[in-house]
Amino acid sequence: GAGVSQSPSNKVTEKGKDVELRCDPISGHTALYWYRQSLGQGLEFLIYFQGNSAPDKSGLPSDRFSAERTGGSVSTLTIQRTQQEDSAVYLCASSLALGGLGNEKLFFGSGTQLSVL
Amino acid sequence: ILNVEQSPQSLHVQEGDSTNFTCSFPSSNFYALHWYRWETAKSPEALFVMTLNGDEKKKGRISATLNTKEGYSYLYIKGSQPEDSATYLCALNPRTGNQFYFGTGTSLTVIP
Repeated sequence: GAGVSQSPSNKVTEKGKDVELRCDPISGHTALYWYRQSLGQGLEFLIYFQGNSAPDKSGLPSDRFSAERTGGSVSTLTIQRTQQEDSAVYLCASSLALGGLGNEKLFFGSGTQLSVL
Repeated sequence: ILNVEQSPQSLHVQEGDSTNFTCSFPSSNFYALHWYRWETAKSPEALFVMTLNGDEKKKGRISATLNTKEGYSYLYIKGSQPEDSATYLCALNPRTGNQFYFGTGTSLTVIP
């Protein structure tokens, strides 16, 4: 597709369940980022990938969060044993290269609205 | 963690008014300062990528300036239109890492 695609667009789950969020970046984009926005808050960095590698996982809020990227393309963000505080919009963005390597702008998906009941 | 601040938090202007808002940041040690527009129910969209002190960028009625020495960027909208209503985000890409630090945004509402 022409843009960054995220699925599902909305996810309602019960506390304690696992969820998997998917991001399909623009073809050829080597850098991929995950952010989330909780109600009333700014965009919070979660993790980035350069190719399939995630050098900096410090933004993941807890060990219930994990992410992977395969084939330098699709990425999945998995949240285990979801809690109510995980409710947020989860945004994925991709760029041709990492930010410092050419000052490439980010292309965002439309996000996944996660609601944990 | 870099604290990127935006002001005001929200703004209501009449159609035709010009407006501006601010992004401030504590460091001049960065690769780029980005501006994004995020309309409701859509994806954030890049407006500008700015790298050098004194940079000025323009896209239609929207322009931005960058002052790295004093740590701020201004976004200007000339003759605001209802379709300009959105949240405007700035983001800093520091040299100390590869992530982007986003401000909390300025929510602009243009009243017809």
